[in-house]
Amino acid sequence: DQQVKQNSPSLSVQEGRISILNCDYTNSMFDYFLWYKKYPAEGPTFLISISSIKDKNEDGRFTVFLNKSAKHLSLHIVPSQPGDSAVYFCAARGATSYDKVIFGPGTSLSVIP
Amino acid sequence: EADIYQTPRYLVIGTGKKITLECSQTMGHDKMYWYQQDPGMELHLIHYSYGVNSTEKGDLSSESTVSRIRTEHFPLTLESARPSHTSQYLCASSTQGLAGRNEQFFGPGTRLTVL
Repeated sequence: DQQVKQNSPSLSVQEGRISILNCDYTNSMFDYFLWYKKYPAEGPTFLISISSIKDKNEDGRFTVFLNKSAKHLSLHIVPSQPGDSAVYFCAARGATSYDKVIFGPGTSLSVIP
Repeated sequence: EADIYQTPRYLVIGTGKKITLECSQTMGHDKMYWYQQDPGMELHLIHYSYGVNSTEKGDLSSESTVSRIRTEHFPLTLESARPSHTSQYLCASSTQGLAGRNEQFFGPGTRLTVL
């Protein structure tokens, strides 16, 4: 049973437009949410995170929104650039650093020049 | 700058062979992890360690074994490789610290193919 879901396997966006990647989760005990970015033949790299006590976190072109009541989060990339083309993994974990991180299946983003 | 290394990057091997996938990190992180990932699928945790001489099995059952004799080194071993072991194996590490961002740093992965 998937605890972290990314229902869109792929997404194509024009360069300069906004990319919105969505993630849903089922476990209400998750306390921290992270987004990772993965290029082919490389390991995932951390992108941005959000604590469950917040509803928004922004870092440059990347913003993550959290809706706890809907158990939904989204990653916004504005403006999208060709270098953003990668697989984006949503991840979640519990309140302590000993809690394991649960990853979603990823969404492949293509930014078209 | 994350410094976590995996070797080999690619491995093609015959059924029944014993293999060891190497993972080393130079960040002094206490926690290390092994994930298995198939294309288009989520990363599945197969082993983790919270420090030297500490190893635990993850959520996905795996026939592999791990050891943690040194902080920086977390090798994964398959005693007898089978085609069902074909996958990408990702090693990661993170700090022990307080809860919070505590993100994991990943190595580049080993793409294993068992014929």
